[in-house]
Amino acid sequence: GEDVEQSLFLSVREGDSSVINCTYTDSSSTYLYWYKQEPGAGLQLLTYIFSNMDMKQDQRLTVLLNKKDKHLSLRIADTQTGDSAIYFCADAGNTPLVFGKGTRLSVIA
Amino acid sequence: NAGVMQNPRHLVRRRGQEARLRCSPMKGHSHVYWYRQLPEEGLKFMVYLQKENIIDESGMPKERFSAEFPKEGPSILRIQQVVRGDSAAYFCASSPRTGAPMNTEAFFGQGTRLTVV
Repeated sequence: GEDVEQSLFLSVREGDSSVINCTYTDSSSTYLYWYKQEPGAGLQLLTYIFSNMDMKQDQRLTVLLNKKDKHLSLRIADTQTGDSAIYFCADAGNTPLVFGKGTRLSVIA
Repeated sequence: NAGVMQNPRHLVRRRGQEARLRCSPMKGHSHVYWYRQLPEEGLKFMVYLQKENIIDESGMPKERFSAEFPKEGPSILRIQQVVRGDSAAYFCASSPRTGAPMNTEAFFGQGTRLTVV
């Protein structure tokens, strides 16, 4: 079946850039998503990219997609303590989203 | 317009009891999705419903689990005879339609954290 893989932990200093990586297996994916989950909360859609795009920028967020390698990344510029959360990559090759296990981002002040 | 409302936020059940989880979608949304998040895991799709219909239940265990989305009222995820392995966070999402980019319009509730003791 479809699979989405992410590294589990990332620690960065406040003000640095964070890069969270994700790989997926479904070649029919049309949209790829990044969600943020804060402790005890639901998922918040951060951004998404259509599969025919290479890059999408939205304020401090930059999404890069390498469709050939099935690799997706999320870059957060000027990372703040409020960015500490779990970030999930999700693949929508089919309607039910397939999620990675999440990357826990810790921001050190 | 309130977001997706799930209740209860926390639910404790003894082994063998029944758990009922409720999800009220956003106003105007007729599609509901249930996901389960085990500790330290991502979300796993369970079931997709439209009003009065189950569209896709491929992620739902065959036994003890059922879901409904009646014409009136919230969607209900029901777990009978709960076991410790059912302990998880259960999230509901709603959207006004299906098909990508459906997920850009899907909103998640805050989840129900079920603990089976």
